Amino acid sequence: AQSVTQLDSQVPVFEEAPVELRCNYSSSVSVYLFWYVQYPNQGLQLLLKYLSGSTLVESINGFEAEFNKSQTSFHLRKPSVHISDTAEYFCAVSPQGGRRALTFGSGTRLQVQP
Amino acid sequence: DAGVTQSPTHLIKTRGQQVTLRCSPKSGHDTVSWYQQALGQGPQFIFQYYEEEERQRGNFPDRFSGHQFPNYSSELNVNALLLGDSALYLCASSPGTTQETQYFGPGTRLLVL
Repeated sequence: AQSVTQLDSQVPVFEEAPVELRCNYSSSVSVYLFWYVQYPNQGLQLLLKYLSGSTLVESINGFEAEFNKSQTSFHLRKPSVHISDTAEYFCAVSPQGGRRALTFGSGTRLQVQP
Repeated sequence: DAGVTQSPTHLIKTRGQQVTLRCSPKSGHDTVSWYQQALGQGPQFIFQYYEEEERQRGNFPDRFSGHQFPNYSSELNVNALLLGDSALYLCASSPGTTQETQYFGPGTRLLVL
């Protein structure tokens, strides 16, 4: 079984400041790792994913995450946030292979203030 | 290319009633998973369908059941609704390959009174 811990339920930050959203996971098997974003009253959108290869993965809107196997972490970072980044962010894992269920963390609410 | 679609968007039911939610997967995807997201929480896996059969199931009672049709679309049925079933129900589809990614629909918000 897998579990995901998102250490911060809310992260307030000023516009143009850097941010880090923390995610740690537990699993007895190798996993894939994902970050999803949820805007108010909407479904989940895939932000970025780690399947294999380079441990640093990037999204098209400036977010990046680094897979750290020894620390079982997959923290999400952005060097400069915008008001439009205000949303709920979910870290998720699944066992490697096809057709596997996702296990989600409880989410981190990113609140970007002007 | 249409993404994952779900219907209805919102639904209000009373305790004891039954509800059916529908999902059409992204083009080229044959696997559909359903998740329940209670207010303020992360989504929880209900079950997954491919080849028209339930393949995996999370920790949900038998009141939750589903179906997958030959065109890969899927239904989620919940019987004997409880107040605690109020949630956002999310459908996700994936291509069923070894390095798959699940893509989510907008969800159906169910309120049980």
